[in-house]
Amino acid sequence: DTAVSQTPKYLVTQMGNDKSIKCEQNLGHDTMYWYKQDSKKFLKIMFSYNNKELIINETVPNRFSPKSPDKAHLNLHINSLELGDSAVYFCASSQVMVANSPLHFGNGTRLTVT
Amino acid sequence: AQSVTQLDSQVPVFEEAPVELRCNYSSSVSVYLFWYVQYPNQGLQLLLKYLSGSTLVKGINGFEAEFNKSQTSFHLRKPSVHISDTAEYFCAVSDDRDSGGYQKVTFGTGTKLQVIP
Repeated sequence: DTAVSQTPKYLVTQMGNDKSIKCEQNLGHDTMYWYKQDSKKFLKIMFSYNNKELIINETVPNRFSPKSPDKAHLNLHINSLELGDSAVYFCASSQVMVANSPLHFGNGTRLTVT
Repeated sequence: AQSVTQLDSQVPVFEEAPVELRCNYSSSVSVYLFWYVQYPNQGLQLLLKYLSGSTLVKGINGFEAEFNKSQTSFHLRKPSVHISDTAEYFCAVSDDRDSGGYQKVTFGTGTKLQVIP
Protein backbone atom coordinates (compact mmCIF):
# COMPACT_ATOMS: atom_id res chain seq x y z
CA ASP A 1 0.00 0.00 0.00
CA THR A 2 2.92 2.31 -0.70
CA ALA A 3 1.65 5.78 -1.53
CA VAL A 4 4.58 7.24 -3.48
CA SER A 5 7.13 4.73 -4.69
CA GLN A 6 10.29 5.41 -6.62
CA THR A 7 12.88 3.10 -8.12
CA PRO A 8 15.69 2.40 -7.82
CA LYS A 9 16.53 3.16 -4.21
CA TYR A 10 20.24 3.35 -4.98
CA LEU A 11 21.94 4.22 -8.24
CA VAL A 12 25.71 4.17 -8.68
CA THR A 13 27.04 5.12 -12.09
CA GLN A 14 29.96 6.73 -13.86
CA MET A 15 30.27 10.22 -15.25
CA GLY A 16 28.87 10.60 -18.70
CA ASN A 17 26.26 7.87 -18.38
CA ASP A 18 22.51 8.32 -18.80
CA LYS A 19 20.12 7.07 -16.12
CA SER A 20 16.44 7.16 -15.24
CA ILE A 21 14.48 7.22 -12.00
CA LYS A 22 10.85 6.15 -11.96
CA CYS A 23 8.07 7.37 -9.67
CA GLU A 24 4.51 6.26 -9.20
CA GLN A 25 1.81 7.43 -6.79
CA ASN A 26 -1.40 5.56 -5.96
CA LEU A 27 -3.02 8.40 -4.03
CA GLY A 28 -5.03 9.72 -6.93
CA HIS A 29 -3.20 13.05 -6.69
CA ASP A 30 -3.15 15.52 -9.56
CA THR A 31 0.32 16.94 -8.97
CA MET A 32 3.78 15.38 -8.83
CA TYR A 33 7.22 16.82 -8.14
CA TRP A 34 10.90 16.08 -8.22
CA TYR A 35 13.08 17.43 -5.43
CA LYS A 36 16.85 17.24 -5.04
CA GLN A 37 18.41 16.91 -1.57
CA ASP A 38 22.10 17.67 -1.41
CA SER A 39 24.69 16.38 1.05
CA LYS A 40 23.75 19.13 3.52
CA LYS A 41 20.12 17.99 3.45
CA PHE A 42 19.01 21.10 1.57
CA LEU A 43 15.85 20.38 -0.43
CA LYS A 44 15.25 22.16 -3.70
CA ILE A 45 12.40 21.72 -6.11
CA MET A 46 13.36 20.73 -9.64
CA PHE A 47 10.08 20.17 -11.46
CA SER A 48 6.38 19.98 -10.87
CA TYR A 49 3.68 18.53 -13.07
CA ASN A 50 -0.05 19.03 -12.78
CA ASN A 51 -2.17 16.51 -14.67
CA LYS A 52 0.79 15.63 -16.93
CA GLU A 53 1.51 19.29 -17.69
CA LEU A 54 4.86 20.83 -16.71
CA ILE A 55 4.22 23.71 -14.34
CA ILE A 56 7.51 24.48 -12.61
CA ASN A 57 11.01 24.06 -14.02
CA GLU A 58 13.45 25.54 -11.55
CA THR A 59 16.44 26.38 -13.77
CA VAL A 60 17.53 22.79 -13.86
CA PRO A 61 20.15 21.89 -16.53
CA ASN A 62 18.52 20.54 -19.64
CA ARG A 63 20.37 17.27 -19.07
CA PHE A 64 17.46 16.58 -16.72
CA SER A 65 14.26 15.69 -18.52
CA PRO A 66 11.09 14.75 -16.67
CA LYS A 67 8.35 12.77 -18.34
CA SER A 68 4.81 12.20 -17.14
CA PRO A 69 2.99 9.53 -19.17
CA ASP A 70 -0.07 9.90 -16.93
CA LYS A 71 -0.87 11.73 -13.73
CA ALA A 72 0.16 8.76 -11.58
CA HIS A 73 3.69 8.59 -12.97
CA LEU A 74 6.56 11.05 -13.18
CA ASN A 75 9.93 9.79 -14.36
CA LEU A 76 13.25 11.61 -14.39
CA HIS A 77 15.86 10.99 -17.06
CA ILE A 78 19.36 12.37 -16.65
CA ASN A 79 21.82 12.57 -19.54
CA SER A 80 25.60 12.87 -19.34
CA LEU A 81 25.78 12.53 -15.59
CA GLU A 82 28.23 14.75 -13.71
CA LEU A 83 29.83 14.42 -10.27
CA GLY A 84 27.69 17.30 -9.01
CA ASP A 85 24.52 15.35 -9.77
CA SER A 86 25.26 13.09 -6.80
CA ALA A 87 22.39 13.63 -4.36
CA VAL A 88 19.18 12.08 -3.12
CA TYR A 89 16.27 12.65 -5.48
CA PHE A 90 12.77 12.64 -4.03
CA CYS A 91 9.54 12.25 -5.87
CA ALA A 92 6.49 13.79 -4.20
CA SER A 93 2.83 14.33 -4.91
CA SER A 94 0.03 16.55 -3.66
CA GLN A 95 -3.71 16.29 -4.06
CA VAL A 96 -3.91 19.49 -5.99
CA MET A 97 -1.40 22.16 -6.84
CA VAL A 98 -2.53 24.82 -4.44
CA ALA A 99 -0.51 26.33 -1.66
CA ASN A 100 -2.27 24.56 1.21
CA SER A 101 -1.92 21.05 -0.17
CA PRO A 102 0.68 18.99 1.78
CA LEU A 103 3.34 17.00 -0.01
CA HIS A 104 3.65 13.20 0.13
CA PHE A 105 7.19 11.99 -0.48
CA GLY A 106 8.70 8.78 -1.76
CA ASN A 107 11.67 7.27 0.06
CA GLY A 108 14.22 8.75 -2.29
CA THR A 109 16.80 7.56 -4.81
CA ARG A 110 20.40 8.00 -3.75
CA LEU A 111 22.40 8.76 -6.88
CA THR A 112 26.17 8.46 -6.71
CA VAL A 113 28.19 9.53 -9.73
CA THR A 114 31.83 8.36 -9.77
CA ALA B 1 10.33 35.79 -2.49
CA GLN B 2 9.61 33.64 0.52
CA SER B 3 12.33 32.20 2.74
CA VAL B 4 12.58 29.92 5.76
CA THR B 5 15.24 30.01 8.45
CA GLN B 6 15.95 27.20 10.85
CA LEU B 7 18.66 28.64 13.05
CA ASP B 8 19.61 25.40 14.80
CA SER B 9 21.26 22.80 12.62
CA GLN B 10 21.46 20.32 15.51
CA VAL B 11 19.56 20.04 18.78
CA PRO B 12 20.66 17.42 21.31
CA VAL B 13 18.17 16.70 24.08
CA PHE B 14 17.84 14.05 26.74
CA GLU B 15 15.04 11.53 26.54
CA GLU B 16 11.80 12.68 28.23
CA ALA B 17 12.95 16.33 28.19
CA PRO B 18 10.99 18.99 26.29
CA VAL B 19 12.23 20.35 22.98
CA GLU B 20 11.60 23.36 20.77
CA LEU B 21 12.80 23.54 17.18
CA ARG B 22 12.78 27.08 15.83
CA CYS B 23 11.52 28.24 12.47
CA ASN B 24 11.21 31.78 11.12
CA TYR B 25 9.89 32.70 7.73
CA SER B 26 9.66 35.77 5.57
CA SER B 27 6.89 36.54 3.16
CA SER B 28 4.88 39.59 2.26
CA VAL B 29 1.69 37.64 1.68
CA SER B 30 -0.31 35.06 3.55
CA VAL B 31 1.45 31.75 3.67
CA TYR B 32 0.82 28.21 4.72
CA LEU B 33 3.29 26.58 7.09
CA PHE B 34 4.34 22.98 7.49
CA TRP B 35 6.67 20.82 9.53
CA TYR B 36 7.99 17.62 8.01
CA VAL B 37 10.08 14.88 9.61
CA GLN B 38 12.68 12.77 7.83
CA TYR B 39 13.85 9.55 9.46
CA PRO B 40 17.14 8.06 8.25
CA ASN B 41 17.01 6.76 4.69
CA GLN B 42 13.38 7.74 4.27
CA GLY B 43 11.39 10.46 2.60
CA LEU B 44 9.77 13.36 4.40
CA GLN B 45 6.49 12.86 6.28
CA LEU B 46 4.07 15.59 7.24
CA LEU B 47 4.06 16.28 10.99
CA LEU B 48 1.59 19.15 11.05
CA LYS B 49 0.38 22.15 9.10
CA TYR B 50 -0.98 25.62 9.69
CA LEU B 51 -3.48 26.75 7.07
CA SER B 52 -5.71 29.16 8.99
CA GLY B 53 -7.66 29.45 12.23
CA SER B 54 -6.20 28.53 15.59
CA THR B 55 -2.56 29.48 15.86
CA LEU B 56 -1.75 26.36 17.88
CA VAL B 57 -1.73 23.27 15.71
CA LYS B 58 -1.30 19.72 16.86
CA GLY B 59 0.34 17.03 14.79
CA ILE B 60 1.32 13.41 14.93
CA ASN B 61 3.58 11.83 17.54
CA GLY B 62 2.72 14.43 20.20
CA PHE B 63 4.22 17.41 18.35
CA GLU B 64 2.60 20.83 18.20
CA ALA B 65 3.54 24.18 16.70
CA GLU B 66 2.45 27.74 17.23
CA PHE B 67 2.03 30.25 14.44
CA ASN B 68 3.07 33.75 15.46
CA LYS B 69 2.36 36.25 12.72
CA SER B 70 3.97 39.24 14.43
CA GLN B 71 7.21 37.35 14.94
CA THR B 72 6.89 35.43 11.66
CA SER B 73 7.65 32.23 13.51
CA PHE B 74 6.34 28.69 13.52
CA HIS B 75 8.25 26.88 16.25
CA LEU B 76 7.79 23.16 16.80
CA ARG B 77 7.50 21.76 20.33
CA LYS B 78 7.15 18.48 22.14
CA PRO B 79 6.81 18.26 25.94
CA SER B 80 8.65 14.94 26.27
CA VAL B 81 10.81 13.39 23.55
CA HIS B 82 11.50 9.73 22.89
CA ILE B 83 14.47 8.03 21.32
CA SER B 84 12.30 7.36 18.28
CA ASP B 85 11.99 11.12 17.68
CA THR B 86 15.63 11.24 16.54
CA ALA B 87 15.35 12.52 12.98
CA GLU B 88 15.75 15.58 10.75
CA TYR B 89 12.96 18.14 10.97
CA PHE B 90 12.13 20.54 8.16
CA CYS B 91 10.03 23.67 8.32
CA ALA B 92 8.39 24.67 5.04
CA VAL B 93 6.40 27.63 3.76
CA SER B 94 4.09 27.61 0.80
CA ASP B 95 2.36 30.28 -1.22
CA ASP B 96 1.21 30.61 -4.78
CA ARG B 97 2.16 34.18 -5.45
CA ASP B 98 5.18 33.74 -7.73
CA SER B 99 4.18 30.67 -9.68
CA GLY B 100 1.07 31.64 -11.58
CA GLY B 101 -1.34 30.50 -8.88
CA TYR B 102 0.39 27.18 -8.39
CA GLN B 103 1.95 25.99 -5.17
CA LYS B 104 5.61 26.64 -4.54
CA VAL B 105 7.12 25.23 -1.36
CA THR B 106 10.34 26.51 0.20
CA PHE B 107 12.05 24.34 2.79
CA GLY B 108 14.34 25.34 5.61
CA THR B 109 17.76 23.76 5.91
CA GLY B 110 16.59 21.29 8.53
CA THR B 111 17.27 20.68 12.22
CA LYS B 112 18.70 17.38 13.35
CA LEU B 113 17.08 16.36 16.61
CA GLN B 114 19.24 13.93 18.54
CA VAL B 115 17.59 12.34 21.54
CA ILE B 116 20.11 11.13 24.11
CA PRO B 117 19.18 8.12 26.28
